Amino acid sequence: AQSVAQPEDQVNVAEGNPLTVKCTYSVSGNPYLFWYVQYPNRGLQFLLKYITGDNLVKGSYGFEAEFNKSQTSFHLKKPSALVSDSALYFCAVRDKNLGGSTLGRLYFGRGTQLTVWP
Amino acid sequence: EPEVTQTPSHQVTQMGQEVILRCVPISNHLYFYWYRQILGQKVEFLVSFYNNEISEKSEIFDDQFSVERPDGSNFTLKIRSTKLEDSAMYFCASRPGSSYEQYFGPGTRLTVT
Repeated sequence: AQSVAQPEDQVNVAEGNPLTVKCTYSVSGNPYLFWYVQYPNRGLQFLLKYITGDNLVKGSYGFEAEFNKSQTSFHLKKPSALVSDSALYFCAVRDKNLGGSTLGRLYFGRGTQLTVWP
Repeated sequence: EPEVTQTPSHQVTQMGQEVILRCVPISNHLYFYWYRQILGQKVEFLVSFYNNEISEKSEIFDDQFSVERPDGSNFTLKIRSTKLEDSAMYFCASRPGSSYEQYFGPGTRLTVT
């Protein structure tokens, strides 16, 4: 069964420091992987995705994520955190098996609350 | 930049009542989805809709739920007889045919009393 784990409910980091938000996944086939961010009273906003190709993918607002197949991980990173990055971050996975019954549905992690202090 | 919109932002209803949650997906998108998030829990898939029919539904999406795209722009989720456990944030999402990321609306908070 497909699943996503975000092992940290909260991540706290000082502004200007690098940040990492962890995600591991489990799928039956090859995965499509996504990161979304949610600001208060807003919907889930797409940040970046891994479909195929380079393991390091770059997305919006200076975020990047590294796909590691052997560790089944897709950690979100940013070299220098901003206070405005404080939000709830969700990792999601979609099964690449188009012949199955999982066309398009995303499986989400519980979310990680990122707090960047000045 | 086009956005998915949802109305109302908050709906309070009594147990047993019918509710309709409304969504306007991004106009050139082809795939439409509903998800929900019970407070403190994961975002869960409910249903996907493509070419005017349901393409997949989860075990949550039982006979009390239905979806419709009545006029080519709106996408609605109906709950026929609400239960206390239906209280959640409901998210609508859409995606174009050419890419895999889904674009989410701001959500409707449904409170069943």
